[in-house]
Amino acid sequence: QAGLTQPPSVSKGLRQTATVTCIGNNNDVGNEGAAWLQQHQGHPPKLLSYRDNNRPSGISERFSASRSGNTASLTITGLQPEDEADYYCSAWDSSLSAVVFGEGTKLTVL
Amino acid sequence: QITLKESGPTVVKPTETLTLTCTFSGFSLSTGGMGVGWIRQPPGKALEWLGNIYWDDDKRYSPSLRSRLTITKDTSRNQVVLTMTNVDPVDTATYYCAHRPPTGLFDFWGQGILVSVSS
Repeated sequence: QAGLTQPPSVSKGLRQTATVTCIGNNNDVGNEGAAWLQQHQGHPPKLLSYRDNNRPSGISERFSASRSGNTASLTITGLQPEDEADYYCSAWDSSLSAVVFGEGTKLTVL
Repeated sequence: QITLKESGPTVVKPTETLTLTCTFSGFSLSTGGMGVGWIRQPPGKALEWLGNIYWDDDKRYSPSLRSRLTITKDTSRNQVVLTMTNVDPVDTATYYCAHRPPTGLFDFWGQGILVSVSS
């Protein structure tokens, strides 16, 4: 099953801006866009955005998503210690009729 | 408020069949566009999608696991059941069920259940 490509790790300083990328193809990210999930150790994932840059109620404006072609990006501004977590992108693959996930990116806030 | 909770055995033996139940509230699986998905996560590893079931009883499965998976729903009891046959130690993971809204992907997740496959 094909997956989405994410960097294994990203490190940024407190109050800085971090960007996590997610590379897919025309059938998944390039088709219906991506969703982004945040997962703290020992907890279930939490939806941050869907269909590129739609934020569910209660999600901070510090989290914003975008897409350019087959690459989706999650940008977190004003990094806080609580932002340290794993971040996953996901998308619907229309050719596989399947949900695909990225391998996850561990964000460290220095 | 949407909530989901997974239940089932926490230890199964190799070659056995694993059956997990997702009990949910706050939405109905008879509402058009709604769905429930199953996702798993081996310890220390990434999320892996297993399958979805939709309001019209349509089902989609992971291509790599399709032959071993069955997902069913009981709309009146607000439950979705995942069955995985012939389990192996590599199937050891936390299994999550999640709400799939008409907008697409998973917005509410259960707490997960850790299932270990061991003899």
